[in-house]
Amino acid sequence: EAQVTQNPRYLITVTGKKLTVTCSQNMNHEYMSWYRQDPGLGLRQIYYSMNVEATDKGDVPEGYKVSRKEKRNFPLILESPSPNQTSLYFCASSRSRNNSPLHFGNGTRLTVT
Amino acid sequence: QKEVEQNSGPLSVPEGAIASLNCTYSDRVSQSFFWYRQYSGKSPELIMSIYSNGDKEDGRFTAQLNKASQYVSLLIRDSQPSDSATYLCAVNIVPLSGTYKYIFGTGTRLKVLA
Repeated sequence: EAQVTQNPRYLITVTGKKLTVTCSQNMNHEYMSWYRQDPGLGLRQIYYSMNVEATDKGDVPEGYKVSRKEKRNFPLILESPSPNQTSLYFCASSRSRNNSPLHFGNGTRLTVT
Repeated sequence: QKEVEQNSGPLSVPEGAIASLNCTYSDRVSQSFFWYRQYSGKSPELIMSIYSNGDKEDGRFTAQLNKASQYVSLLIRDSQPSDSATYLCAVNIVPLSGTYKYIFGTGTRLKVLA
């Protein structure tokens, strides 16, 4: 089944404790992206990647890191999480960076206390 | 002005009626347009893609695009209570310089009343 898989689905952590949210897609998609979704603010892009070893900042990259060492994986790293990073996170991928719809993972609900 | 604007709603329609959801966008170099449905706490699910002016129909859903007026709409015929969700409009922008990006509206909440 074609899908984008994120893990974990739920995560509660404390301020400053490094964490990684994994994202993997099995559709051989070139483009991958991370979003956070907050009430009233909609989906905001954190980072995106157009292919292996090609990543770039989105609209809200502060406090996040990403890597794209393999085409299928695009992990999101929070080196020192803070409470303002409490949010619902989505990974998404598309066949190419233009004219192709995004396919979303199931989401990760992160709480930083 | 936001790049993609949607009325937040809620839009309430009776079961069996037509629900009309609208989206306007500000960038003139947008090329592709998408409608997603999102249930509370779940991930966005693609409903329709539309790339050229006019109507595109898929089952009970019709997407309408008017690039000159910079709006895209989604009609849901024979609305069902299971259609109650937030509908996100997304625009794939092709800027004159820089990188393609997807811009999302904040969504319209639809409530279908049984």
